[in-house]
Amino acid sequence: DAGVIQSPRHEVTEMGQEVTLRCKPISGHDYLFWYRQTMMRGLELLIYFNNNVPIDDSGMPEDRFSAKMPNASFSTLKIQPSEPRDSAVYFCASSPSTGFISGNTIYFGEGSWLTVV
Amino acid sequence: GNSVTQMEGPVTLSEEAFLTINCTYTATGYPSLFWYVQYPGEGLQLLLKATKADDKGSNKGFEATYRKETTSFHLEKGSVQVSDSAVYFCALSDQGQGAQKLVFGQGTRLTINP
Repeated sequence: DAGVIQSPRHEVTEMGQEVTLRCKPISGHDYLFWYRQTMMRGLELLIYFNNNVPIDDSGMPEDRFSAKMPNASFSTLKIQPSEPRDSAVYFCASSPSTGFISGNTIYFGEGSWLTVV
Repeated sequence: GNSVTQMEGPVTLSEEAFLTINCTYTATGYPSLFWYVQYPGEGLQLLLKATKADDKGSNKGFEATYRKETTSFHLEKGSVQVSDSAVYFCALSDQGQGAQKLVFGQGTRLTINP
């Protein structure tokens, strides 16, 4: 059974360029999450979707960041324009609908390692 | 708000040593608690979980008990192996946000020397 699939795995881009990260969640999962991991700030939730609808985007750092989920099997996280401080590992994760109260958890992709120079 | 505090790392042990990684939490309500592990170059994987007080989660020789009275969920393993070298994250479900957000601790890097 395929897990959460992210692309690209690694990206190096110049400051000011647009970056698009892609994610395919596990089939049948209703929730999709975007996290960012840095040495300084640890693991931060940026945004999450339920049934393709954004529920909480309070973690999105600023207007340069946007996320979409056009259908149940695809999501994008876009940074435009990119800055060196955006360098981080971006994780996509998904979970089934019954939530954490029942002990369900989220399943992470392998991450997209972004370097902005 | 809800939060998770882990013991600071890095932690370095010899093979077959006993491991404890402390985790305490602050939460309203009754969160579920989790330990995740991140191996080098990979995403986070669920290691174990506990959904109510006094529950013990266990997997791959690791254990953690949900202690409501001390608001703790310490991770333990009796005899670590080199292959256990990774970063370990304690997390709780944030029920105040519809129970679909996980709040993570800062992570503890563990290195096991042969």
